Amino acid sequence: GAGVSQSPRYKVAKRGQDVALRCDPISGHVSLFWYQQALGQGPEFLTYFQNEAQLDKSGLPSDRFFAERPEGSVSTLKIQRTQQEDSAVYLCASSLGAAGQGARGYTFGSGTRLTVV
Amino acid sequence: ILNVEQSPQSLHVQEGDSTNFTCSFPSSNFYALHWYRWETAKSPEALFVMTLNGDEKKKGRISATLNTKEGYSYLYIKGSQPEDSATYLCAFGGSGSARQLTFGSGTQLTVLP
Repeated sequence: GAGVSQSPRYKVAKRGQDVALRCDPISGHVSLFWYQQALGQGPEFLTYFQNEAQLDKSGLPSDRFFAERPEGSVSTLKIQRTQQEDSAVYLCASSLGAAGQGARGYTFGSGTRLTVV
Repeated sequence: ILNVEQSPQSLHVQEGDSTNFTCSFPSSNFYALHWYRWETAKSPEALFVMTLNGDEKKKGRISATLNTKEGYSYLYIKGSQPEDSATYLCAFGGSGSARQLTFGSGTQLTVLP
């Protein structure tokens, strides 16, 4: 597609509910990143995929968070048993090359705003 | 934990004014410094990616400079327009963890007509 597409745009979940957030990166982009932005803060790194391989998941805040990119294109971020502190904007970004190879800007999606009530 | 600071946190200027904001980052293990513009209800948009000390980049009325030795970057907007209203984010990429960008909290710019 022309840009990075994320769905849903907004999600309200009851505490304890599982949620799945989808990211459709630009076709052919090797790298895919997930970031979490809490209110009033900058985006914080969650995880990185190079094609289908999850090379870095050091930013995932707990084992309730799980991400996958099984065919090296669409990615899903799943949050199990959501808590109020999970409320944030979840941003997905992709880039053409592998991260760390050349200095390239990322193309971001519009994000999914998750509110846990 | 890497510290990336942006100042000011928010800024109101009149249309036509020129303005600038600051991003400070660790001066060691530098790989790249990114600037993004994020308008409400849209996606963050890459403005610049800077890698070399002394780099200066320009895109229309917006320009940026980079000092990796002292760990700061400035973003300048000349003759601000209402459409420049957005949050401007900088992000530091370190050589040890080039996959991860560490973002500042952003500078929220409002240009008043």
